[in-house]
Amino acid sequence: DAGITQSPRYKITETGRQVTLMCHQTWSHSYMFWYRQDLGHGLRLIYYSAAADITDKGEVPDGYVVSRSKTENFPLTLESATRSQTSVYFCASSEEGNYGYTFGSGTRLTVV
Amino acid sequence: AQRVTQPEKLLSVFKGAPVELKCNYSYSGSPELFWYVQYSRQRLQLLLRHISRESIKGFTADLNKGETSFHLKKPFAQEEDSAMYYCALSRYSGAGSYQLTFGKGTKLSVIP
Repeated sequence: DAGITQSPRYKITETGRQVTLMCHQTWSHSYMFWYRQDLGHGLRLIYYSAAADITDKGEVPDGYVVSRSKTENFPLTLESATRSQTSVYFCASSEEGNYGYTFGSGTRLTVV
Repeated sequence: AQRVTQPEKLLSVFKGAPVELKCNYSYSGSPELFWYVQYSRQRLQLLLRHISRESIKGFTADLNKGETSFHLKKPFAQEEDSAMYYCALSRYSGAGSYQLTFGKGTKLSVIP
């Protein structure tokens, strides 16, 4: 199921560095989402996008930036990484927006 | 604000025993609820959607608006059911956008 891919799968970075996580989907789904998964918190929405050039904040947007210049790509940038951003990041896409989410395999990010 | 509560972080049952994973929600509108499953080292995938009222892998879930619950049930647990289960609620956030809010998840462990 290679319809939605995330890269890299694993990333270690230093505090203060900028890092970008990539998400690419091949279905031309309108909706795309970024979640972070942490023990004790489940999945929390960082940012989402209803279409190209339309993005909006989710539950935990601070310290993150997104863009959506093309429908198929939705990169997530940590402007200045902090240890609290160590997490597993999941990208998802959906045509309907309210269901039918397909998730990527995740990126495990460690900030040291 | 919407909220999804999964009161059990971990649920252990013996193979062949019934399973019930609890989910309660709070939402002022008409809820649309889902169960997602994440098997070890795999991506999240949709298990059930309350509107479809179908049974997937022997699991069922009924929306109880009076009790604001959407518990996931299976009469006889199998070892392959061991996974992380997330209850999720979708809400319309305006301008054609939706947000999916997840509970913190319940880890189901089926003991052989």
